[in-house]
Amino acid sequence: LAKTTQPISMDSYEGQEVNITCSHNNIATNDYITWYQQFPSQGPRFIIQGYKTKVTNEVASLFIPADRKSSTLSLPRVSLSDTAVYYCLVGDRLDYKLSFGAGTTVTVRA
Amino acid sequence: GEEVAQTPKHLVRGEGQKAKLYCAPIKGHSYVFWYQQVLKNEFKFLISFQNENVFDETGMPKERFSAKCLPNSPCSLEIQATKLEDSAVYFCASSQNPGQGKETQYFGPGTRLLVL
Repeated sequence: LAKTTQPISMDSYEGQEVNITCSHNNIATNDYITWYQQFPSQGPRFIIQGYKTKVTNEVASLFIPADRKSSTLSLPRVSLSDTAVYYCLVGDRLDYKLSFGAGTTVTVRA
Repeated sequence: GEEVAQTPKHLVRGEGQKAKLYCAPIKGHSYVFWYQQVLKNEFKFLISFQNENVFDETGMPKERFSAKCLPNSPCSLEIQATKLEDSAVYFCASSQNPGQGKETQYFGPGTRLLVL
């Protein structure tokens, strides 16, 4: 599995856009990029997955440049309830076990 | 059910005692995964099942850990002779059959095991 590097923590304020960049220089051709969110005392929750270019859903957007060596999770207009740990995962879509890194703790303040 | 259910929520054991954790996957999901979160953010994959068959057990400490997924029963993870370092939150996740575009894993709330 490709290793990932993401910031340990980020602070933001309500209503702002939060962008978390994940580096994965050794990403392989068959690897997908997946982001999970974990609230305190809960299990991780799938946010978004992509292979290249841009993916958007009702929760977030995922931007992946052409070289795929990094990706950026964008959370529009965050609220206090978006305070959580965000994990960037890179792996073969058929390698079913997930490999979590340290994650980014995002703290949203009023 | 629509959510992965895990029991118990908390479990306290003395060193050397047995611990057994349970997981009911989402109905219709063929795959079950167990993960261990020791420190705040560090996850370790333990084992996965495809229905009642072990799919991948590369993460299991085989000396003391065992797991089962039997038909019509919750899956279980058992730790014989617990050690202090087994203190962690154990998460179960389930997913539909990978390879059909359903690779998302849905996690339960976890069981917090404390070994004293």
